[in-house]
Amino acid sequence: KQEVTQIPAALSVPEGENLVLNCSFTDSAIYNLQWFRQDPGKGLTSLLLIQSSQREQTSGRLNASLDKSSGRSTLYIAASQPGDSATYLCAVRDGGTSYGKLTFGQGTILTVHP
Amino acid sequence: DTGVSQNPRHKITKRGQNVTFRCDPISEHNRLYWYRQTLGQGPEFLTYFQNEAQLEKSRLLSDRFSAERPKGSFSTLEIQRTEQGDSAMYLCASSPVTGVDEQFFGPGTRLTVL
Repeated sequence: KQEVTQIPAALSVPEGENLVLNCSFTDSAIYNLQWFRQDPGKGLTSLLLIQSSQREQTSGRLNASLDKSSGRSTLYIAASQPGDSATYLCAVRDGGTSYGKLTFGQGTILTVHP
Repeated sequence: DTGVSQNPRHKITKRGQNVTFRCDPISEHNRLYWYRQTLGQGPEFLTYFQNEAQLEKSRLLSDRFSAERPKGSFSTLEIQRTEQGDSAMYLCASSPVTGVDEQFFGPGTRLTVL
């Protein structure tokens, strides 16, 4: 059974810092990995998707990397802003199935203070 | 198209009552998923539809839960004889069958069972 863990559970940083969020998964036979952002009481916004054959994806100030063999992914946020404050969720889609259910970590709560 | 929509956004009910939620996926997305998220946790998979066929159900989906997607477009999730433990955010997501299998989430329905 796939298990996804995110470290740290919470992070508080001053504006302008670069930061790294970590995600690990137990079964490396994944199809893809997605990073999401969730604001309090809201749904999920997809940030980046990395296919199993890819090593990284970039969007603006965000960069996500994937090391499938070691079961790890990182989300790098450059020059953090107060508007980045949210919960960040990592989710993996297992390979070997034609159905796309995602297994999520518990999330990292990020607070960026001015 | 404005994305995945869900109704209602909030539902408060008394224990023992039945509730029904609706999800309208992004048009032409064949795949539709339901997830449940409790406070402080990541979403957990409930069920998956490809067109009108329900192809996978989680063990979390007890016999009090039923989901339908009658015409392969919108979907409904019904909970019968609600219990306080059913209180959660119910999230719907959709993705296309072809191309990048990226899931897009709706805003969720927040259920509170008193």
